[in-house]
Amino acid sequence: DAGITQSPRHKVTETGTPVTLRCHQTENHRYMYWYRQDPGHGLRLIHYSYGVKDTDKGEVSDGYSVSRSKTEDFLLTLESATSSQTSVYFCAISEFRYYEQYFGPGTRLTVT
Amino acid sequence: DQQVKQNSPSLSVQEGRISILNCDYTNSMFDYFLWYKKYPAEGPTFLISISSIKDKNEDGRFTVFLNKSAKHLSLHIVPSQPGDSAVYFCAASESTGNQFYFGTGTSLTVIP
Repeated sequence: DAGITQSPRHKVTETGTPVTLRCHQTENHRYMYWYRQDPGHGLRLIHYSYGVKDTDKGEVSDGYSVSRSKTEDFLLTLESATSSQTSVYFCAISEFRYYEQYFGPGTRLTVT
Repeated sequence: DQQVKQNSPSLSVQEGRISILNCDYTNSMFDYFLWYKKYPAEGPTFLISISSIKDKNEDGRFTVFLNKSAKHLSLHIVPSQPGDSAVYFCAASESTGNQFYFGTGTSLTVIP
């Protein structure tokens, strides 16, 4: 199994508060991704990174920002959480851009 | 706009029989396809892939078929086992693109 951890695994927060989710990998893979999974939508890409300090938006990036200061860490920040951001968030990594991705265990976020 | 569709939310199959999971896509530029398997409270696990230069790829009990003219792919599991009970996602990408697009998933139940 690819070495990917996510923290926290569960979080409950209030509307309007900032939240940061962390993804950590030990595989030294160049590409890292943040997805959200919602019923009826499958997995949707939020942001991805193709190297340290190199990031780009996915299809559902509004309300989210990311940072990658080290190869092994990719942070997802909700600047001001809203109830529509209640979801399960998955981090993924891949060695090459056009290649299968390996997923972390997920973070269940509830915004009340 | 869902570019990858899995129109069957659920499927039940008897142990030992064949499971066939279907996936349709709308973007004719997609040329690489993946299948993932997901157990509850875990991240998706990569299962099998296929490139558009092939129409079939096999890995043990799992075979993926690609029909480019119909923009359709299917995953066959033979023989089905109770441990195969999970949600299966298909995903597609184009070689010049930056992301994979996922379907909404099909929940497979294999009945002992």
